[in-house]
Amino acid sequence: DIVMTQSPDSLAVSLGERATINCKSSQSVLYSSNSKNYLAWYQKKPGQPPKLLIYSASTRESGVPDRFSGSGSGTDFTLTISSLQAEDVAVYYCQQYYSSLHSFGQGTRLEIK
Amino acid sequence: QVQLVESGGGVVQPGRSLRLSCAASGFTFNSYSMHWVRQAPGEGLEWVAVISYDGDNAFYADSVQGRFIISRDNSKNTFYLEMNSLRVEDTALYYCARGAVGATGGEPNDYWGRGTLVTVSS
Repeated sequence: DIVMTQSPDSLAVSLGERATINCKSSQSVLYSSNSKNYLAWYQKKPGQPPKLLIYSASTRESGVPDRFSGSGSGTDFTLTISSLQAEDVAVYYCQQYYSSLHSFGQGTRLEIK
Repeated sequence: QVQLVESGGGVVQPGRSLRLSCAASGFTFNSYSMHWVRQAPGEGLEWVAVISYDGDNAFYADSVQGRFIISRDNSKNTFYLEMNSLRVEDTALYYCARGAVGATGGEPNDYWGRGTLVTVSS
């Protein structure tokens, strides 16, 4: 099974500042036949289902603000929020979908400093 | 528009069984794999199970392997999670989510239901 590990577990950032969340997979999630990284990022707010933000490590889902960006390849990935807004307070999860067993990271709680 | 609606949650005693349902609409259900994901109180997201578009293949998290069974009825645009030998640690909000076209991996979970709560308690 692929184990996903996020860092940090929690993060406090001032409004308008950059937030960076890291995710590491226990094995590569780069699919060699199409050179795509099978890595997604989700935003989870209380009382709401998870919202897909980023897939293929760096492709924003339709309607997601461009302050959200993803990067990385192979086993190491990053979610960056370029200018934190109040509505971005949430828990963020990475997920690999390389394997049929779509494992998640443990989550990173993002708060306003 | 794509809609996923879970049902079947409730309070159940340890060792008993419960069946969850997820009714899908707004897309070609029989082309997609479908997933169950859960979130225990105060915990993170945990992937639970996936079933292929045709129901021929299913995969489970180690934590539920041998106790839970995922199935689907494409004629009803619905899939299920049969939960047996329930444990206190199975208490969670259970979400259904859409997966990949024609495969059980390779695409993220782009649409989600709002969840159904399962509480396992004596």
